[in-house]
Amino acid sequence: AQSVTQLDSQVPVFEEAPVELRCNYSSSVSVYLFWYVQYPNQGLQLLLKYLSGSTLVKGINGFEAEFNKSQTSFHLRKPSVHISDTAEYFCAVSETGANNLFFGTGTRLTVIP
Amino acid sequence: DGGITQSPKYLFRKEGQNVTLSCEQNLNHDAMYWYRQDPGQGLRLIYYSQIVNDFQKGDIAEGYSVSREKKESFPLTVTSAQKNPTAFYLCASRDSTYEKLFFGSGTQLSVL
Repeated sequence: AQSVTQLDSQVPVFEEAPVELRCNYSSSVSVYLFWYVQYPNQGLQLLLKYLSGSTLVKGINGFEAEFNKSQTSFHLRKPSVHISDTAEYFCAVSETGANNLFFGTGTRLTVIP
Repeated sequence: DGGITQSPKYLFRKEGQNVTLSCEQNLNHDAMYWYRQDPGQGLRLIYYSQIVNDFQKGDIAEGYSVSREKKESFPLTVTSAQKNPTAFYLCASRDSTYEKLFFGSGTQLSVL
């Protein structure tokens, strides 16, 4: 069975500082990996995805993530955060070609002025 | 613009009442999903449908029902058997490549 672990439920960070949001998954087969962002009272928007190829994936709003197969991780990073990055971030995994996505419990990023 | 529309944005349920949440998409996607979101618990799958007239239970289907009579529509009914319905409900659809989910803006359901 697949599962996703987001180790930090809340991450406070000062504006313009770097941030890393951690995600680990468990799966015995090849996977697709995703990061989604959710602003208050809204649905989820795709930040970036890893399907195949280069392990470093760049997404919207200056975010990037690196797929590490040996550590089964897909950590999200941004070198300099803005106030507008304050939101909840969800990591998700699915088996390649499978119907379902499994979500982590989310990390609330709070950017402090 | 193509997308997913959920309505209403806010919904209140009385004891013993069934309520239906609407989800419509014009993306021509075959697969549609309903998730429930509770604080600190992430998203949990209620039901999903891969094609018209077919749907499968997810992890927390008890107390919920769905239908898929049209490709564009996947309504969710929260029945009186669901004893703790207060949550944020998200509908999503996925294209045939299964590369990503497109989400609606959600419905917040509360109990009066």
